[in-house]
Amino acid sequence: DTGVSQNPRHKITKRGQNVTFRCDPISEHNRLYWYRQTLGQGPEFLTYFQNEAQLEKSRLLSDRFSAERPKGSFSTLEIQRTEQGDSAMYLCASSISSGGFSYEQYFGPGTRLTVT
Amino acid sequence: AQKVTQAQTEISVVEKEDVTLDCVYETRDTTYYLFWYKQPPSGELVFLIRRNSFDEQNEISGRYSWNFQKSTSSFNFTITASQVVDSAVYFCALVAYYNQGGKLIFGQGTELSVKP
Repeated sequence: DTGVSQNPRHKITKRGQNVTFRCDPISEHNRLYWYRQTLGQGPEFLTYFQNEAQLEKSRLLSDRFSAERPKGSFSTLEIQRTEQGDSAMYLCASSISSGGFSYEQYFGPGTRLTVT
Repeated sequence: AQKVTQAQTEISVVEKEDVTLDCVYETRDTTYYLFWYKQPPSGELVFLIRRNSFDEQNEISGRYSWNFQKSTSSFNFTITASQVVDSAVYFCALVAYYNQGGKLIFGQGTELSVKP
């Protein structure tokens, strides 16, 4: 029984560099979500995919952020020209949706990004 | 707008004590789902329960119980006979049924510390 996996688990980068994170959802799940969690806060929604289609993006997702889910399988989240404010835990979750409703989301372990 | 408030930032109890974590939510949607997630020190969010807005029956699962009161917009979580392994951050979350792609709106979390 494989859950949601994320790689890398930790990433330290210098300000201005680009970083890319990967998420592998539970295989039969058609929805995939990205959230960002800063210290002492609850996760905040960034974007989600229904299969390969990106259906919603939060205003938190500036033009330096881009996400893809080719072929509706794994997803990548890229941050260009990183800033210190991007330091956070990036969480991926997946779920099954039926009739427009998304059931409970299962989360991966997250990627902790530190921008120095 | 939707909002989840967890007024208790930190709670500390001694093992075997009962503890209740409060959650108050705001939504204009008539159909919605409420969730509780546990985030242990390892960081991965673990799904605990999902409750829909039409079902106000309390639920019990082992040492865990949930009290949903629509009249007060509350969805409180009680741990009976707490154990050290219950130490974690607990998040309450809300999602509207018909819109917003199932994105979860999280509270700020309550950090529970159970001391031996």
